Amino acid sequence: DAGVTQSPTHLIKTRGQQVTLRCSPKSGHDTVSWYQQALGQGPQFIFQYYEEEERQRGNFPDRFSGHQFPNYSSELNVNALLLGDSALYLCASSQGAHQNTEAFFGQGTRLTVV
Amino acid sequence: GDSVTQMEGPVTLSEEAFLTINCTYTATGYPSLFWYVQYPGEGLQLLLKATKADDKGSNKGFEATYRKETTSFHLEKGSVQVSDSAVYFCAGCRRALTFGSGTRLQVQP
Repeated sequence: DAGVTQSPTHLIKTRGQQVTLRCSPKSGHDTVSWYQQALGQGPQFIFQYYEEEERQRGNFPDRFSGHQFPNYSSELNVNALLLGDSALYLCASSQGAHQNTEAFFGQGTRLTVV
Repeated sequence: GDSVTQMEGPVTLSEEAFLTINCTYTATGYPSLFWYVQYPGEGLQLLLKATKADDKGSNKGFEATYRKETTSFHLEKGSVQVSDSAVYFCAGCRRALTFGSGTRLQVQP
């Protein structure tokens, strides 16, 4: 079992550009959540996808959007990048979206905006 | 909204010392509570969890008890090892995880 896999591992983009990050959930999981972790901080919830729909959303602007595919994999898109978007982006997968469900995290994608 | 507050680090201890990392939460209702650990160069891993009041989560010698009256979920270990050096995150979950800011633990031989 490969666990949660994310790609790419590192990425450098210029301010104003757009970026797409990818996540494959752990085998058997159908729910994918995305988090942004700034340096020295805890992860902050961006949104969650289940059955190919966005089910929950944190306090992030519309520049952050996502998609879930029929095979449960997911993409996070960020438009009009700002310097402040530089962070580690974490994907977590789970079986369902219940509060007792254990979430498994990927290694993350380190995004640097210059 | 929901929030989790945990003690700031770094926490530096000698091997075999007793560890406590404080965590309190503010939420509507009673979320499930978790401790995640991030070892150097690795992703977040679930350390332990508790889903209701008075539940005690435990794993690898670490323990935490869900205290509804004080809205706390403090992490404890009786004897830390160098291999426990990592960043520890407290989190609450109703529909999605809300994390604290993390506490870096450094254990010296």
